[in-house]
Amino acid sequence: NAGVMQNPRHLVRRRGQEARLRCSPMKGHSHVYWYRQLPEEGLKFMVYLQKENIIDESGMPKERFSAEFPKEGPSILRIQQVVRGDSAAYFCASSPGQGSGNIQYFGAGTRLSVL
Amino acid sequence: AQSVTQLGSHVSVSEGALVLLRCNYSSSVPPYLFWYVQYPNQGLQLLLKYTSAATLVKGINGFEAEFKKSETSFHLTKPSAHMSDAAEYFCAVSKSNDYKLSFGAGTTVTVRA
Repeated sequence: NAGVMQNPRHLVRRRGQEARLRCSPMKGHSHVYWYRQLPEEGLKFMVYLQKENIIDESGMPKERFSAEFPKEGPSILRIQQVVRGDSAAYFCASSPGQGSGNIQYFGAGTRLSVL
Repeated sequence: AQSVTQLGSHVSVSEGALVLLRCNYSSSVPPYLFWYVQYPNQGLQLLLKYTSAATLVKGINGFEAEFKKSETSFHLTKPSAHMSDAAEYFCAVSKSNDYKLSFGAGTTVTVRA
């Protein structure tokens, strides 16, 4: 009974490189959310996706960040040309959808370090 | 917009003592309220949730929280702390008809033997 799976758990990139973070939701869940946790802060909403659709990306930086949730495969959060300020823990959550009381189940996160 | 304030970024308690973590929220509509726990290098685990039913909510591991609308609070308590309760705790709020969770900054709990 796998939960939300994120990989890699740790990712090191140099400034200017690309970072790809993957998230496989819980079985039966079609809604995926990405959150970012900066040091000493709580999680901040970034984007909400359903299969092949971005529902709300109001928390995503306007540049360099993108997310997708294809029909097949995991959800991907992509950060182009990373900068030191992108260093954070990125958490993915999933839910079954409407009527679930908005309970979101979280993965263990990907900790991105930008050198 | 929703927001959450957790009073106290660090709380230290003795084993067997009461654990009290404070959470105040602001919301323009009836809220859903949550407490999550995060152990080192792990994801967030749901402790309990309030979704407009009983105001006293019981969760896992002996934790409970009480929704007080007049005080806009949702404080988390456990009567007797255990060493395994050492972790970081997050309070979160969402609109009842929305999906975005707004999190507090978290409270780190340490338990003294």
